[in-house]
Amino acid sequence: NAGVTQTPKFRVLKTGQSMTLLCAQDMNHEYMYWYRQDPGMGLRLIHYSVGEGTTAKGEVPDGYNVSRLKKQNFLLGLESAAPSQTSVYFCASSYPGHYDQPQHFGDGTRLSIL
Amino acid sequence: AQTVTQSQPEMSVQEAETVTLSCTYDTSENNYYLFWYKQPPSRQMILVIRQEAYKQQNATENRFSVNFQKAAKSFSLKISDSQLGDTAMYFCAFNNAGNMLTFGGGTRLMVKP
Repeated sequence: NAGVTQTPKFRVLKTGQSMTLLCAQDMNHEYMYWYRQDPGMGLRLIHYSVGEGTTAKGEVPDGYNVSRLKKQNFLLGLESAAPSQTSVYFCASSYPGHYDQPQHFGDGTRLSIL
Repeated sequence: AQTVTQSQPEMSVQEAETVTLSCTYDTSENNYYLFWYKQPPSRQMILVIRQEAYKQQNATENRFSVNFQKAAKSFSLKISDSQLGDTAMYFCAFNNAGNMLTFGGGTRLMVKP
């Protein structure tokens, strides 16, 4: 039972470098999300997708881009990493439109930007 | 926009005792869901319990129960018979009809032997 899988689990970048975080889910969920969690804080929504080929901005989208080319995958990109983007990133997925359905989370990616 | 507030950054409880974690929220929506998630040191986000705003009966899951006061916009979590494995960060979250979660800042719970 894989659920939601995030790759990589840890990464260290230098300021200005780019990278892509991959999220894969095997539950046939329509909705997928990317969150960031800063120390001592709750999760904040970066971007989300309500279906293949669609994306939308969340609460803190600046500095990030996303793509949902396949239903099971949701990619988060940092084009030019900044120290302020040091955080733990969580991907989640859920069924569509039913807010009683909980989101299922991956184990997170710890990203440090020097 | 919704806001979720957890006013207790840290709490501790003796093993086998009961503890209550507080959560308040602000919304203009009439129907929604509220969740409590647990985040142990392993960093996983684990669903503990959920409550629909239209249901007056408080949700219960084994040792976990909620006290939902819709008029007061309050959603507290009670953990009975606390166990060492309950040590974790606990997040209250609000889910609207668009299935967008808004999280509180979390409460760090330490269960002491």
